[in-house]
This record gives sequence, structure tokens and C-alpha cells, in this order.
Amino acid sequence: AQSVAQPEDQVNVAEGNPLTVKCTYSVSGNPYLFWYVQYPNRGLQFLLKYITGDNLVKGSYGFEAEFNKSQTSFHLKKPSALVSDSALYFCAVRDGAAGNKLTFGGGTRVLVKP
Amino acid sequence: NAGVTQTPKFRVLKTGQSMTLLCAQDMNHEYMYWYRQDPGMGLRLIHYSVGEGTTAKGEVPDGYNVSRLKKQNFLLGLESAAPSQTSVYFCASSGGIGSTGETQYFGPGTRLLVL
Repeated sequence: AQSVAQPEDQVNVAEGNPLTVKCTYSVSGNPYLFWYVQYPNRGLQFLLKYITGDNLVKGSYGFEAEFNKSQTSFHLKKPSALVSDSALYFCAVRDGAAGNKLTFGGGTRVLVKP
Repeated sequence: NAGVTQTPKFRVLKTGQSMTLLCAQDMNHEYMYWYRQDPGMGLRLIHYSVGEGTTAKGEVPDGYNVSRLKKQNFLLGLESAAPSQTSVYFCASSGGIGSTGETQYFGPGTRLLVL
């Protein structure tokens, strides 16, 4: 069975500093990986995905993620964090079987302080 | 495009009551999903559908039923609500398999409190 781990419940960073949110995965076959963001009392918004190709994936709002097959990781990064980036971030992996199902990590809360 | 919409936004039920949550999408997506979100547990898949008239169980299906009579709608039913079903429920849809169809798009959520 596939799984996703987000080892940090919360990440605190000062505005303007680099932001990294960690994600590791376990899956048989080729991984399809996703990052979503959830703002308070809102649904999940798609940030970016890795399907195949370049290991560095660029997404919305200046976020990017690096796929590392040997370390089975897909960390989310942003070079310069904004206060408005404070939110809950979810990593997910697609089930290769029927249904295009996603398995989500537990989420990481990001707090960007001014 | 409204994307994915959910009705109602918030509901309070008493134990044993029933209710139906409605999800609608206007993106002509084949696949639809119901998740529940509980603190510290991420999102867990309840049921999903790969097309009109089809449904399948997800990770936590017990206590829920679903129907997909129309392509654009996906209904989630609770026949006899229990306090353990207090949660935030999210609906999502996707275009299916393929590099552009992989992405799931989420509705705003329904907050359910069962007393």
C-alpha cells in the first residue's frame, strides 16, 4: 500500500526567509506526487504536481518542489516566504490502480512571521 | 465556471438522524470523490466514482453511502449519524487518468457536527 509522510506538524519561518515543507512517500511503481494548500475554512487548492520529467517542478504562488527518487522525497520549497503563505500544506501520492485516488499526508502547518 | 460546489456549508445533526451532502461540478469531470478531514489525519477517502452510475469504496466507507446518478453530481448520505462522523467533508473531481486529468479539484467543504 502506498503512503505519504509529512514529518513536521508545524514549520515556523520569518518572512523573507526560505521555506521548506518536507514530504516522503512510499509507492510501488512510478510515483505521481502532488502538493495542495489549505487556507483557513477553505477547500484544498492545487499547487503543483510531479508526473514525469524534470525533478524540479514549478507551481503556483512561487512554490516549487524537488522530486528525489533515491530518497523517496518530494519537498516543497519557496525561496522567500510571505506572511500570506501561512496555511496548511498537504502532500499526496496517486494510487496507480483504478480511480486516480490520492493518499494524503497528515499535513504541515506553516506559520510565517512578519 | 463555479468549479466544485458543496451543499450545505454547515449542518448540525442529532445522533441517529440522516442527511445527504450534495456535490456538483461543472468541469465535465469523469471522476468524483468524497473525503473527510479530521485534525492530524489529513484527508481520508470515503467513496469515489469513476463515472456516472458507478461508485466504489475508499479507505473509510462505513456508515456512508453514495450515488452518482448524473455525471455532474455526487451525493454522500449518512443514514444514521454518529458523533464519530463529526468532521469536515470535502468533495473533489478530476478528469481521470492522463497527465492533465490527474489533478483533483476540491470544493469548499461541509462542516458537520453530530451531537
